Amino acid sequence: ELKVEQNPLFLSMQEGKNYTIYCNYSTTSDRLYWYRQDPGKSLESLFVLLSNGAVKQEGRLMASLDTKARLSTLHITAAVHDLSATYFCAVDMKGVAGNQFYFGTGTSLTVIP
Amino acid sequence: EADIYQTPRYLVIGTGKKITLECSQTMGHDKMYWYQQDPGMELHLIHYSYGVNSTEKGDLSSESTVSRIRTEHFPLTLESARPSHTSQYLCASSEEGVVPDTQYFGPGTRLTVL
Repeated sequence: ELKVEQNPLFLSMQEGKNYTIYCNYSTTSDRLYWYRQDPGKSLESLFVLLSNGAVKQEGRLMASLDTKARLSTLHITAAVHDLSATYFCAVDMKGVAGNQFYFGTGTSLTVIP
Repeated sequence: EADIYQTPRYLVIGTGKKITLECSQTMGHDKMYWYQQDPGMELHLIHYSYGVNSTEKGDLSSESTVSRIRTEHFPLTLESARPSHTSQYLCASSEEGVVPDTQYFGPGTRLTVL
């Protein structure tokens, strides 16, 4: 069974600081997705990483993928309050009936002014 | 912006009632999914469909059932709601044969069973 683990689970950081969220997964997958969820809201797609070494950046967020280490990172640069949310990574695994998504435990980020 | 809709957004209902959570998408996606998410927790796949008349159970055991009679519609039914069914239910869809296989999520239904 595919396991997807994120750390930290909870992160409180001051505005202007940098930090990295880690996502480890337990079996081979070449596709990794990052989503953002605001409290009480649905999930919003942030990044899709399709190959080893892939790096995507959007604003203060940068995601990377190392398929050999089965590790993805989401790096936050100079955090601002608007980034407060829960971030999920997800991987897909091919099965008999097609691919299924497996989500990580989520990282709840709070940026303090 | 994704065009995927869920109704109702919030539902409070008594034990033993039958309920149907609606999910519709206007993007013509073949794949649709139902996830269950407890507060502050990860998402668990409970049902998915790869097209009309195709439904499969996900990894998380669920007492709910689904149907896929039309491409755009993927309702989830609980025949007899129980307090253990209290959770948020998220519907998602994605396009077959497209890489990346990004899933687009609806706004969710927050269900409380008393």
